[in-house]
Amino acid sequence: DTAVSQTPKYLVTQMGNDKSIKCEQNLGHDTMYWYKQDSKKFLKIMFSYNNKELIINETVPNRFSPKSPDKAHLNLHINSLELGDSAVYFCASSRQGEAEAFFGQGTRLTVV
Amino acid sequence: KQEVTQIPAALSVPEGENLVLNCSFTDSAIYNLQWFRQDPGKGLTSLLLIQSSQREQTSGRLNASLDKSSGRSTLYIAASQPGDSATYLCAVRNAGNMLTFGGGTRLMVKP
Repeated sequence: DTAVSQTPKYLVTQMGNDKSIKCEQNLGHDTMYWYKQDSKKFLKIMFSYNNKELIINETVPNRFSPKSPDKAHLNLHINSLELGDSAVYFCASSRQGEAEAFFGQGTRLTVV
Repeated sequence: KQEVTQIPAALSVPEGENLVLNCSFTDSAIYNLQWFRQDPGKGLTSLLLIQSSQREQTSGRLNASLDKSSGRSTLYIAASQPGDSATYLCAVRNAGNMLTFGGGTRLMVKP
């Protein structure tokens, strides 16, 4: 009964490719997020999304886009992958407001 | 812009010691503060959540305190065990519903 699940766990791809990472939560939460953890292990927010609003961290390139087919899913699409996109990407979810955030196990993306 | 700092960056202690991890943040207008544990190559496990109106939370051997006005939180681990070895992350939630993370404290508990 994984609360927040991501697929794939590992992704190795060539520069210039387009790829997607899927995320699903079964907690009934109304808000989902994507975070990026770089090689120095710093975690930074990329997107926050509920059914009303998408908030984008201004540092995120527009090659990255979240897509939400329904409240339980928030997929991350990345176009024209670059070497610097290599990182671990975490999906998370929570209820709006003063709520605890739950994280997925992460997707390690390696761009070669 | 919120900035979160964790001190120390790394800590090595013998088994059985009590220890304190520190977290400071620059913008005191937070909704809550959350402590996480991350094992190597793994995801984040939520340890404790402190709402902005609370002063502390306890779970087993863990106790987290929050002093919002001074922008500080501490995570106290009692009677440390080798299984506590991991990276501990502090994160604060501001308006916009997003978490800002500190750089983490890598803890090693030696048997």
